[in-house]
Amino acid sequence: KNEVEQSPQNLTAQEGEFITINCSYSVGISALHWLQQHPGGGIVSLFMLSSGKKKHGRLIATINIQEKHSSLHITASHPRDSAVYICAVWENNDMRFGAGTRLTVKP
Amino acid sequence: DTEVTQTPKHLVMGMTNKKSLKCEQHMGHRAMYWYKQKAKKPPELMFVYSYEKLSINESVPSRFSPECPNSSLLNLHLHALQPEDSALYLCASSQAGTPEKLFFGSGTQLSVL
Repeated sequence: KNEVEQSPQNLTAQEGEFITINCSYSVGISALHWLQQHPGGGIVSLFMLSSGKKKHGRLIATINIQEKHSSLHITASHPRDSAVYICAVWENNDMRFGAGTRLTVKP
Repeated sequence: DTEVTQTPKHLVMGMTNKKSLKCEQHMGHRAMYWYKQKAKKPPELMFVYSYEKLSINESVPSRFSPECPNSSLLNLHLHALQPEDSALYLCASSQAGTPEKLFFGSGTQLSVL
């Protein structure tokens, strides 16, 4: 069993839809990161969470430490949001990655 | 400057070649990382340097040899690689400890023939 599980693996949405990507982890962590990877490799760090909720533009990330679960929400999705979204947990200088969710937003 | 610069962007090498991947950042970060990513898979940690000292080596084969000559530079020396080592090699940097953010380079796409 992977230490970091993401769902869904693939997600197709119409422009404007509200999107949720889920992440569950089974290890103790000091922080959880949401990352975005576009085709060609570039990875961008979206959020770091250790508790509660963070918002940046149309992106919202939440974490429940007791339930070991985090969600990434995208409001009013747009085709430029199409990318792979990766959940990663941080502990002791080591980052463990989920398998990623491939999001395609159609116009 | 919030960039992590990796060179080269693409590399093709034979199994007997010796080559090096380079990574540079000028954000004052004291932690630097090498990751390997196969197609449609998440990145896998290879090495972590913290304050220029190797702190994590995830049982990577000795044909990969990291080097951190100073706080801004990270190298990955490659020798006698195998075709299965073909992958995207990503460098990242962050503040030491529990970072708010990791900054990733755009990677070196390596093909071993």
